[in-house]
Amino acid sequence: DGGITQSPKYLFRKEGQNVTLSCEQNLNHDAMYWYRQDPGQGLRLIYYSQIVNDFQKGDIAEGYSVSREKKESFPLTVTSAQKNPTAFYLCASSIEGVKTEAFFGQGTRLTVV
Amino acid sequence: RKEVEQDPGPFNVPEGATVAFNCTYSNSASQSFFWYRQDCRKEPKLLMSVYSSGNEDGRFTAQLNRASQYISLLIRDSKLSDSATYLCVVNLDTGRRALTFGSGTRLQVQP
Repeated sequence: DGGITQSPKYLFRKEGQNVTLSCEQNLNHDAMYWYRQDPGQGLRLIYYSQIVNDFQKGDIAEGYSVSREKKESFPLTVTSAQKNPTAFYLCASSIEGVKTEAFFGQGTRLTVV
Repeated sequence: RKEVEQDPGPFNVPEGATVAFNCTYSNSASQSFFWYRQDCRKEPKLLMSVYSSGNEDGRFTAQLNRASQYISLLIRDSKLSDSATYLCVVNLDTGRRALTFGSGTRLQVQP
């Protein structure tokens, strides 16, 4: 079945640690996105990529980094510079274009301990 | 001002009721519009796209008013299973081709 897979589902991070969240898709989509959701809030865009080897900052990119070396993969690293990383992280992908919907993975819930 | 604004609710309605949600967006150059549904602690899923001519899918009707820059979602004959958060989503034509989400409106349908 085609879809987007995020792993892990739950992740615990100690203060000062970097962690990487995985996102893989087999939908052959060109565009991929990372969003962050805090309790009772909407989704905020962290980074997005419209093509391999290219990505752009979203609204809240500080403290995060990404790479897009393969079409299928768009990992997100939450660095120690991100002061409040506890949140629900959602990866999405879409066919390139303005009028297209996005499909989401099941999310990773990150908690700083 | 937020780019996409929604009333957070919650809207508490009895089964069988009709409920309407509105959403406003700030960028008049926005090109595409969607309603997503998000269940508690789950990922958002597309409910329906919104077209200028309006569109209907069963009990759900979506409307777009470009002149007033608002989008609406009407749910008729509410079911318990409609309880969720409904996210208004806009694709802004600012060179950034990524969906912008409202904060969501929570619906609770009660027996």
